[in-house]
Amino acid sequence: EAGVAQSPRYKIIEKRQSVAFWCNPISGHATLYWYQQILGQGPKLLIQFQNNGVVDDSQLPKDRFSAERLKGVDSTLKIQPAKLEDSAVYLCASSRTHEQYFGPGTRLTVT
Amino acid sequence: AQSVTQLDSHVSVSEGTPVLLRCNYSSSYSPSLFWYVQHPNKGLQLLLKYTSAATLVKGINGFEAEFKKSETSFHLTKPSAHMSDAAEYFCVVREDNYGQNFVFGPGTRLSVLP
Repeated sequence: EAGVAQSPRYKIIEKRQSVAFWCNPISGHATLYWYQQILGQGPKLLIQFQNNGVVDDSQLPKDRFSAERLKGVDSTLKIQPAKLEDSAVYLCASSRTHEQYFGPGTRLTVT
Repeated sequence: AQSVTQLDSHVSVSEGTPVLLRCNYSSSYSPSLFWYVQHPNKGLQLLLKYTSAATLVKGINGFEAEFKKSETSFHLTKPSAHMSDAAEYFCVVREDNYGQNFVFGPGTRLSVLP
């Protein structure tokens, strides 16, 4: 089966600009996650969807980050405006039962 | 709420010697536990998982882990390290309630010396 797809793989923007990341989960996986992984740290959950509903967004900085999962399949994560501290790898994962499957991530550099 | 502690931020072993990466967790519910590996500039790959079946879990590439409820531990071991094992390892806990919330530990970087 195809894995979790993410795009773009790399993005460089200036602070105060906006950026969007896209994720396509494994077919049939109802749960989708977005994580932020800062260099040298473990992934931190930003938001979790079950189908197209939000289960947990307690760690999402809602003043600048937004995410949606239309039709319960693909998802988009947006940052507007970006700050220097948003430089990180943004990981998307999906699951059906106990296991998460991760995409390759998007490396964001904010200058 | 669940949490994960990885006791060593960096472990260095010689090739051919045993590997031990330590993980302790806290959980209010019956947990599922996972180990993931992340090679440089690569995605996260599942090594093994514990989901309330056998307490000794075997994974890929010769790794295994033992769930010890009394010690709230899930240490990762391998009898003989290979150069290709050098990577970052994450212990992950998931409480078996509705939320399916996975919590990652901070990671342990494994170096393998020739």
